[in-house]
Amino acid sequence: DTAVSQTPKYLVTQMGNDKSIKCEQNLGHDTMYWYKQDSKKFLKIMFSYNNKELIINETVPNRFSPKSPDKAHLNLHINSLELGDSAVYFCASSPTGGPEETQYFGPGTRLLVL
Amino acid sequence: DQQVKQNSPSLSVQEGRISILNCDYTNSMFDYFLWYKKYPAEGPTFLISISSIKDKNEDGRFTVFLNKSAKHLSLHIVPSQPGDSAVYFCAVSSGGGADGLTFGKGTHLIIQP
Repeated sequence: DTAVSQTPKYLVTQMGNDKSIKCEQNLGHDTMYWYKQDSKKFLKIMFSYNNKELIINETVPNRFSPKSPDKAHLNLHINSLELGDSAVYFCASSPTGGPEETQYFGPGTRLLVL
Repeated sequence: DQQVKQNSPSLSVQEGRISILNCDYTNSMFDYFLWYKKYPAEGPTFLISISSIKDKNEDGRFTVFLNKSAKHLSLHIVPSQPGDSAVYFCAVSSGGGADGLTFGKGTHLIIQP
């Protein structure tokens, strides 16, 4: 019974395409996040959502847009994909977004843009 | 400009011995520190954390030490077991947790039989 799940696990696509990655958590958490792990292995925060409101956006290009249909889901839409978007994208959640909370991560989506 | 640094990309330790993973940070305002463990093709999983008001936190074989004056924390695993082989990420939280975590680059721990 997976706590944080992501689909698809692998995504290979051409430059210029539009794609979406889905994330669902069954933990009842209020806050969800998207992280990007690039080729240098750095894990960096992209977005966080708390009760459907965007909390931060860490200078991510506006080709990336998070969409939350409900508290349990935070999907990531990417328009006009570029080679540099190739990375592993992780979704995470935490109870309320408090400073001393554990974040629970999904298994990651490996995106390759050709 | 890295705010969280893990200067050892890899570490090899014999089974049964102590593994010590190190992490340095630059901002004295960071007040909550975490270690995550990651296996290949999986997401990071939480291991242990420590608040800035403490200097030590222990959970079974895992102990995290925090030296605020040196802006340094370390993770001790004793005794090391083969299943501990993984990438370990140091992460920090500053004030609002909804700002996300800032991660180090990770240290690949290899436990040798």
